[in-house]
Amino acid sequence: GAVVSQHPSWVICKSGTSVKIECRSLDFQATTMFWYRQFPKQSLMLMATSNEGSKATYEQGVEKDKFLINHASLTLSTLTVTSAHPEDSSFYICSARDPGPFQETQYFGPGTRLLVL
Amino acid sequence: KNEVEQSPQNLTAQEGEFITINCSYSVGISALHWLQQHPGGGIVSLFMLSSGKKKHGRLIATINIQEKHSSLHITASHPRDSAVYICAAHSGGGADGLTFGKGTHLIIQP
Repeated sequence: GAVVSQHPSWVICKSGTSVKIECRSLDFQATTMFWYRQFPKQSLMLMATSNEGSKATYEQGVEKDKFLINHASLTLSTLTVTSAHPEDSSFYICSARDPGPFQETQYFGPGTRLLVL
Repeated sequence: KNEVEQSPQNLTAQEGEFITINCSYSVGISALHWLQQHPGGGIVSLFMLSSGKKKHGRLIATINIQEKHSSLHITASHPRDSAVYICAAHSGGGADGLTFGKGTHLIIQP
């Protein structure tokens, strides 16, 4: 099946620094990718929808200036957490939409665990 | 906005038992996903279905569109099935992401 990769899988950073997370679709082109966040013992929450070649669409309550999304190619979307703070520590997961020949589906990346000290 | 409810929240069973996890949603959908999340956080997509029933190995997923309800069944459960199972609804159209249930934490004891 289709594979979506994320890099890095783990990141620890100091408060105030910026962290970039990459999401790649490895064997299909994804015009749409999604970024989710999951706090401990909570369900995943959609943060934003990343569209290739256009601006991302952010969910209510997600600061677009803090969580910068760039979808520069059909196989790569990046999420940059700017001026990270401890409350941004979370598990960030991307998924990529594969339109498929018959049925659309979403494939999930393995996630990136961010710890801000 | 769709609301997705799962039950039970936690389930502990003995190896070999038949497992059922339920999911209900409030608004009509175009598809429903069942996902498996392992302790490390990685997510595997088990099924995507919009009607009827799908089977993959020991896993069976069913959906009743009229009742806005889906079930995930595991036959002959095994300790390696221990994980969090999440249902997620896709309302369809545009670029909407998924709406997730809170997950069912399943533990299969040997």
